[in-house]
Amino acid sequence: AQKITQTQPGMFVQEKEAVTLDCTYDTSDQSYGLFWYKQPSSGEMIFLIYQGSYDEQNATEGRYSLNFQKARKSANLVISASQLGDSAMYFCAMRDLSGGYQKVTFGIGTKLQVIP
Amino acid sequence: DGGITQSPKYLFRKEGQNVTLSCEQNLNHDAMYWYRQDPGQGLRLIYYSQIVNDFQKGDIAEGYSVSREKKESFPLTVTSAQKNPTAFYLCASRRLAGGVDTQYFGPGTRLTVL
Repeated sequence: AQKITQTQPGMFVQEKEAVTLDCTYDTSDQSYGLFWYKQPSSGEMIFLIYQGSYDEQNATEGRYSLNFQKARKSANLVISASQLGDSAMYFCAMRDLSGGYQKVTFGIGTKLQVIP
Repeated sequence: DGGITQSPKYLFRKEGQNVTLSCEQNLNHDAMYWYRQDPGQGLRLIYYSQIVNDFQKGDIAEGYSVSREKKESFPLTVTSAQKNPTAFYLCASRRLAGGVDTQYFGPGTRLTVL
């Protein structure tokens, strides 16, 4: 069974500093995808970044990068130059790509607060 | 603009009533999903559909039903059999292109049972 673990219920970061949100996953599958989503207080889930299990390079999207360490089964999100608008819940998720179901499993999230 | 719309944004229901949540997408995506989110928790999959006229149960399908008669539409009915329906409901569709897998979400419907 797939499992996503986010061990940081809440994080604070000073504006303009970088912050790392932790995510570890557990799967026996070889083919999978890893995602990060942002959920502001409005509730909408905003896609941030994707990493495939066979991608050798870490994914980057603007100020977001995914620190993918396959052997450790970790997929940490790094946000550089934090902005006040980054304050939100952040969810790590994984999709199993090897079967027909291809379900996405979500972690319980980390609440990030950016301090002016 | 392309996207996913959900309506209504807020919904109140009396116990024992069925209620239908709307989800429409104009992204031309084949796969669509319904998730439930409870406070302090991640998303849990209720139902998903990979193509028109086909859908499968997710992890918490009991008390819910869906239909997929059109590619653009994937409504969710919360029946009176659902014991604790008060939650935030999110609809999503999937795009797989150029090796990047993305789920796009609608703005959500917050259901409260009175």
